[in-house]
Amino acid sequence: ETGVTQTPRHLVMGMTNKKSLKCEQHLGHNAMYWYKQSAKKPLELMFVYSLEERVENNSVPSRFSPECPNSSHLFLHLHTLQPEDSALYLCASSQDPGLVQFFGPGTRLTVL
Amino acid sequence: GESVGLHLPTLSVQEGDNSIINCAYSNSASDYFIWYKQESGKGPQFIIDIRSNMDKRQGQRVTVLLNKTVKHLSLQIAATQPGDSAVYFCAENWAGGTSYGKLTFGQGTILTVHP
Repeated sequence: ETGVTQTPRHLVMGMTNKKSLKCEQHLGHNAMYWYKQSAKKPLELMFVYSLEERVENNSVPSRFSPECPNSSHLFLHLHTLQPEDSALYLCASSQDPGLVQFFGPGTRLTVL
Repeated sequence: GESVGLHLPTLSVQEGDNSIINCAYSNSASDYFIWYKQESGKGPQFIIDIRSNMDKRQGQRVTVLLNKTVKHLSLQIAATQPGDSAVYFCAENWAGGTSYGKLTFGQGTILTVHP
């Protein structure tokens, strides 16, 4: 295991639902990330937090809302998603931005 | 109209063979490179990294080679085993004028090892 956990592992939601993805890292890292992984596409960086401050918002639609209450926890709040948002959502952490990132197992999201 | 999907490069080898996975990176200013392995149903797993001031680095059964002249990175896996079957990603780190670095990932190569 990498020391990064994500819950839930699988999520099915309707377009009008509101749900949240949770990530926790047990590595003492200062930076945390959200990525989207769609089939046959490179990993897409969504958000970067460094010392609990958002330093990157990579043109992500507002229906995705991140939250970083402390350096160990990261959330991704979801509301009024679209079917094309179905993907694997990966959380990662690193000691500092720009260093090697360690990934969680991901949440497989299906939007109906 | 019909959308065209992206087809990942594939590499099939026999157990015991050596494997070489290649990656072309995009930015000559990138200063740090990482190889990841992603098995089905799992997140990417760190394999090995290399900084731009090096051209070779070895780990356990793996070697990364960096050719900055042609912006090429390769991962060599010695004595490939069925458990090595996975998608392999390279990633490059470039600050891009920001105060922090960020990783840009390649599309990945599917490695299949036949017993």
